[in-house]
Amino acid sequence: EAGVVQSPRYKIIEKKQPVAFWCNPISGHNTLYWYLQNLGQGPELLIRYENEEAVDDSQLPKDRFSAERLKGVDSTLKIQPAELGDSAVYLCASRGNTDTQYFGPGTRLTVL
Amino acid sequence: GESVGLHLPTLSVQEGDNSIINCAYSNSASDYFIWYKQESGKGPQFIIDIRSNMDKRQGQRVTVLLNKTVKHLSLQIAATQPGDSAVYFCAEKTSGTYKYIFGTGTRLKVLA
Repeated sequence: EAGVVQSPRYKIIEKKQPVAFWCNPISGHNTLYWYLQNLGQGPELLIRYENEEAVDDSQLPKDRFSAERLKGVDSTLKIQPAELGDSAVYLCASRGNTDTQYFGPGTRLTVL
Repeated sequence: GESVGLHLPTLSVQEGDNSIINCAYSNSASDYFIWYKQESGKGPQFIIDIRSNMDKRQGQRVTVLLNKTVKHLSLQIAATQPGDSAVYFCAEKTSGTYKYIFGTGTRLKVLA
């Protein structure tokens, strides 16, 4: 069974540019999470989807971040415009009908 | 950059010895706990989990202990190997939600 897939794995952009990250969860997993991870720290939740509904987006900086999961399967996280402080690893995770969430490899973003 | 990661608590053990990684959790209403292993450049990898109605669970070379009285979780790795070198995170899930809170992380270094 394929795990959580994320792309790209690495992205380098200049500040003020837009960037998008894509995630495909484990097949059949209805719950999808986007996390931000700064170096040396644990993941911090940005947004959680149950199917296509965003049920927890309280930590998402909505002035520049947006996310969508239109068909309840794959998801896109966007930043526009990116700032220097957005440099981090963006992790996607999914959960099926158990309590366990599984992570993808992450996208490492560097904003110059 | 890497200097931030060096501020992680670090546990150094000799190859072949047992390792014990500790985690204090915050919410007495948490009902499910997961230990993740994260190698450099990769996403967190599920190791073992435990529910709040248990105090011990064993896997292959790993054991998780839960002490709800003092809100403490530990991960024991038997016969530590070089491949165990990574950062280890605990995560707690609050009862009635599918939101996970991650601990700070501990870097495990295995000495040859």
